[in-house]
Amino acid sequence: QKEVEQDPGPLSVPEGAIVSLNCTYSNSAFQYFMWYRQYSRKGPELLMYTYSSGNKEDGRFTAQVDKSSKYISLFIRDSQPSDSATYLCAMNTRGGADGLTFGKGTHLIIQP
Amino acid sequence: DTGVSQNPRHKITKRGQNVTFRCDPISEHNRLYWYRQTLGQGPEFLTYFQNEAQLEKSRLLSDRFSAERPKGSFSTLEIQRTEQGDSAMYLCASSAGDEKLFFGSGTQLSVL
Repeated sequence: QKEVEQDPGPLSVPEGAIVSLNCTYSNSAFQYFMWYRQYSRKGPELLMYTYSSGNKEDGRFTAQVDKSSKYISLFIRDSQPSDSATYLCAMNTRGGADGLTFGKGTHLIIQP
Repeated sequence: DTGVSQNPRHKITKRGQNVTFRCDPISEHNRLYWYRQTLGQGPEFLTYFQNEAQLEKSRLLSDRFSAERPKGSFSTLEIQRTEQGDSAMYLCASSAGDEKLFFGSGTQLSVL
């Protein structure tokens, strides 16, 4: 079992829909949780960062963390074609010297 | 542009040749990371610098790989005697000492 599991998709939804992306993890030492967006042939771009259980909202994006279930989610409201990309969850232990552990990424397609 | 800069963007080489990539982190970021990403996978941690000191190396980093950050600013990643399995996107990231990593656009290596 990999430390971080993420469904690779593709996930295709119509424009305007609410998108739900998820990751599960097995290492209870993970304390910091991030979502990155990656366009084709580009580097990952940090979207959301959180370190506590609960919800964090930023514009159309909401990150949700449930440490008791080892489950994190990213919700995108009013999805736009420009949101089409690969979304990577990433997590880290306290101190983070060994870097982030990423999921495989979910390929999201927003249909106009 | 004050983001993480990587050069070259693309590198095509023949098997057995040596290649070197450069990363210029965000100014004043003391931590610098190298990751490798293959198609359909999330980035995998390779190595980490705090200032000029290389503090962590992944088991993925074979003896053919070497990284330096001589003055605690830019970093280079060298691959000696390249193999076809080295073909990947090599990503550099930097952080200001917390868990938020900011990535460059990567160097796409193709080994023929």
